[in-house]
Amino acid sequence: AQKVTQAQTEISVVEKEDVTLDCVYETRDTTYYLFWYKQPPSGELVFLIRRNSFDEQNEISGRYSWNFQKSTSSFNFTITASQVVDSAVYFCALSGITGGGNKLTFGTGTQLKVEL
Amino acid sequence: GAGVSQSPSNKVTEKGKDVELRCDPISGHTALYWYRQRLGQGLEFLIYFQGNSAPDKSGLPSDRFSAERTGESVSTLTIQRTQQEDSAVYLCASSLSAQGPINYGYTFGSGTRLTVV
Repeated sequence: AQKVTQAQTEISVVEKEDVTLDCVYETRDTTYYLFWYKQPPSGELVFLIRRNSFDEQNEISGRYSWNFQKSTSSFNFTITASQVVDSAVYFCALSGITGGGNKLTFGTGTQLKVEL
Repeated sequence: GAGVSQSPSNKVTEKGKDVELRCDPISGHTALYWYRQRLGQGLEFLIYFQGNSAPDKSGLPSDRFSAERTGESVSTLTIQRTQQEDSAVYLCASSLSAQGPINYGYTFGSGTRLTVV
């Protein structure tokens, strides 16, 4: 069975602070994919990143960075110099190769509030 | 269309009534998925369509839930005899092909917020 845990239900920061959203996963697959999605108040999920289990290189995209550590089954997401527009719910998700790799198992999400 | 379109955006229904939710995927996307998002929860997989193959219904929570898709176009999710626990946002996503999340990623619609009173 697959499981994604996002222990932080809600985080509040002041603009320009850095913030890290935690994600811990469980899977028996040796090949799997990890994702982060952003859900702004409009409700539509926005894809942020996809990472496969064989690529542990950290990735940076502008103010966003991701730290994938297989040893601790974690795929944490950091926003540097946060902005009010970053306020949203962020979901971590997992897709294992078993079963065809066409379903995502989502965490419960972390609500990020960035205030002025 | 340019994105995945869902209608209605909001639906309030009385307990026991049937409801039908619609999803219009991106043109050319052969794979279509329905997810349910309860308040404060992550998304739960409901059903997956890929072209003309038999759908994967493994996530449907009960026989009150059913979904149809004609070819590679519109899909409807039907909930019969709605219950209060059915209240949730129902999200549809489409993808270029099978293994969507792995190869192409999903494109999600904005969802239908269903409230059963």
